[in-house]
Amino acid sequence: NAGVTQTPKFQVLKTGQSMTLQCAQDMNHNSMYWYRQDPGMGLRLIYYSASEGTTDKGEVPNGYNVSRLNKREFSLRLESAAPSQTSVYFCASSPLLGTEAFFGQGTRLTVV
Amino acid sequence: ELKVEQNPLFLSMQEGKNYTIYCNYSTTSDRLYWYRQDPGKSLESLFVLLSNGAVKQEGRLMASLDTKARLSTLHITAAVHDLSATYFCAVGSGGSNYKLTFGKGTLLTVNP
Repeated sequence: NAGVTQTPKFQVLKTGQSMTLQCAQDMNHNSMYWYRQDPGMGLRLIYYSASEGTTDKGEVPNGYNVSRLNKREFSLRLESAAPSQTSVYFCASSPLLGTEAFFGQGTRLTVV
Repeated sequence: ELKVEQNPLFLSMQEGKNYTIYCNYSTTSDRLYWYRQDPGKSLESLFVLLSNGAVKQEGRLMASLDTKARLSTLHITAAVHDLSATYFCAVGSGGSNYKLTFGKGTLLTVNP
């Protein structure tokens, strides 16, 4: 069972470059999330999508945009990467908003 | 705004010993989750606690929830090296804007 799949697993960007992180789930979940994990900070919610067609800001949305492409896919875009966005990014999904979340393997992003 | 505090943040213990990790949260919530993360890996769901007085056990780990005290505990019995990991609690709240807020995590190291 694939669960939640993120691509890429690793990425190095130069300051100012843009990129999109892809996430897909095959569990027929309604809700999807993007978190970032930084040392000593736990996980912080960037954006979430309660259901197909809706997206909302989380705790740290600045510098990011998202697209809920369909029920399966939820992408995160960095329009102009900054060193402060160096982090590990996790996508997650859950049956309904706020229920048990299942996480992807993460994307380790470095902005130089 | 919901605050979730875990303590301790770092825990070094010997094999065979018992210990408890605490998770305090600041506002009313009806659900709490515990996750485990191995170094460089994703988050794995351990326990889902949905009501006051809920207790769940899996092997050497037991989680409980006291919604009146806004406190959850993760008790480790007779620790073994394989339990070394970072443990996160996550609390759900927010009404129509429901989402999970994570604690900063407890890094557990079990020494032989």
